[in-house]
Amino acid sequence: DGGITQSPKYLFRKEGQNVTLSCEQNLNHDAMYWYRQDPGQGLRLIYYSQIVNDFQKGDIAEGYSVSREKKESFPLTVTSAQKNPTAFYLCASSIVGSGNDEQFFGPGTRLTVL
Amino acid sequence: GEDVEQSLFLSVREGDSSVINCTYTDSSSTYLYWYKQEPGAGLQLLTYIFSNMDMKQDQRLTVLLNKKDKHLSLRIADTQTGDSAIYFCAERPFSSGSARQLTFGSGTQLTVLP
Repeated sequence: DGGITQSPKYLFRKEGQNVTLSCEQNLNHDAMYWYRQDPGQGLRLIYYSQIVNDFQKGDIAEGYSVSREKKESFPLTVTSAQKNPTAFYLCASSIVGSGNDEQFFGPGTRLTVL
Repeated sequence: GEDVEQSLFLSVREGDSSVINCTYTDSSSTYLYWYKQEPGAGLQLLTYIFSNMDMKQDQRLTVLLNKKDKHLSLRIADTQTGDSAIYFCAERPFSSGSARQLTFGSGTQLTVLP
């Protein structure tokens, strides 16, 4: 089955620690995205990547880092510099074209900082 | 920049119609999306409309677009308990050949009462 997987589903971190969230897709999509979701708010874009070895900051990139070494994978690292990291993190992917490039979403990772 | 607004809550009786509203600010040609999110899950695309259309119907779902007022609505006919979820409106500017980020509303929590 084609789709997007995120792991782990739940993640706990102590303050001051970096943590990496996994996102893998087998849809052969060029573009991948990371969003953060907080209660009562819409999704906010952290980073996105249009092609391997290239990525751009979104609206709230501070305290986060990404890499895109493979087309299928777009891991997100939440660093200790992120002031309020507890949130639900969603990864998405899409083709890149001139039409409706629907974004397909993974099931999400809930990160809790203790 | 772009902005998308939604009301936070809506309650309806099972069997009634639900209407979820959204306003957006981007004046350029754009795609507009409705996503559904069930508790603890990722987002599922329900439907989308391009800004040169007035209406789109897909089974129980009807999307209406008022371009003059930049107002979008999602009507769910014969609402069922399984429709209880958060519904997000999202906007994406039309652009060819590049990954474009979505701007999301805050989401409307739909509660279907028996």
